[in-house]
Amino acid sequence: SYELTQPPSVSVSPGQTASITCSGDKLGDKYASWYQQKPGQSPVLVIYQDSKRPSGIPERFSGSNSGNTATLTISGTQALDEADYYCQAWDSSTVVFGGGTKLTVL
Amino acid sequence: EVQLVESGGGLVQPGGSLRLSCAASGFTFSSYAMTWVRQAPGKGLEWVSAISGSGGSTYFADSVKGRFTISRDSSKNTLYLQMNSLRAEDTAVYYCAKGGVEVPAAPIYFDYWGQGTLVTVSS
Repeated sequence: SYELTQPPSVSVSPGQTASITCSGDKLGDKYASWYQQKPGQSPVLVIYQDSKRPSGIPERFSGSNSGNTATLTISGTQALDEADYYCQAWDSSTVVFGGGTKLTVL
Repeated sequence: EVQLVESGGGLVQPGGSLRLSCAASGFTFSSYAMTWVRQAPGKGLEWVSAISGSGGSTYFADSVKGRFTISRDSSKNTLYLQMNSLRAEDTAVYYCAKGGVEVPAAPIYFDYWGQGTLVTVSS
């Protein structure tokens, strides 16, 4: 079965750029999406189809996907961006989530 | 405004059954695939099942295949998850989510999520 691999944790200083990676076999041939989840809340879509931002998502969130790696980039990271982030793809009629990355802003 | 409201969660004994519902509003229900995603306490997101806009195609994670059934009723704008032969490892918050692309596209991403309903499988 298809797997997506994320680093368990990423730390960033306020105002700096955070990058969260998601690796999977030929992931660049599929669409990658990213979700933000804060404690006690439901997931929120922040990037879809590799690099598109839903309405209401700040411009500091961006995405890319090539080769075997998709990347979520948060520019000018703010304290309120501290959350768990999950990548997701669709493969062979299944939805696949990465294990999640805890982003700490310190 | 898109709204998804799950219900039907609760405490059930191992081997028991439960049916979850997700009432949808604010969009043309039959035009979008829907999905169920669960999250065990302190764990990550795990996809459970998805269904096409028409209901004619269904998809399941290996962990629930043969035990869970997904369905939808467009007359009621409601998504269902019938869960049978429940196990302790099925304990989780179950979210329903709306596919982001109109049919006939596959559910490649999910743009709206409900608040979740907790299912606890324990004796």
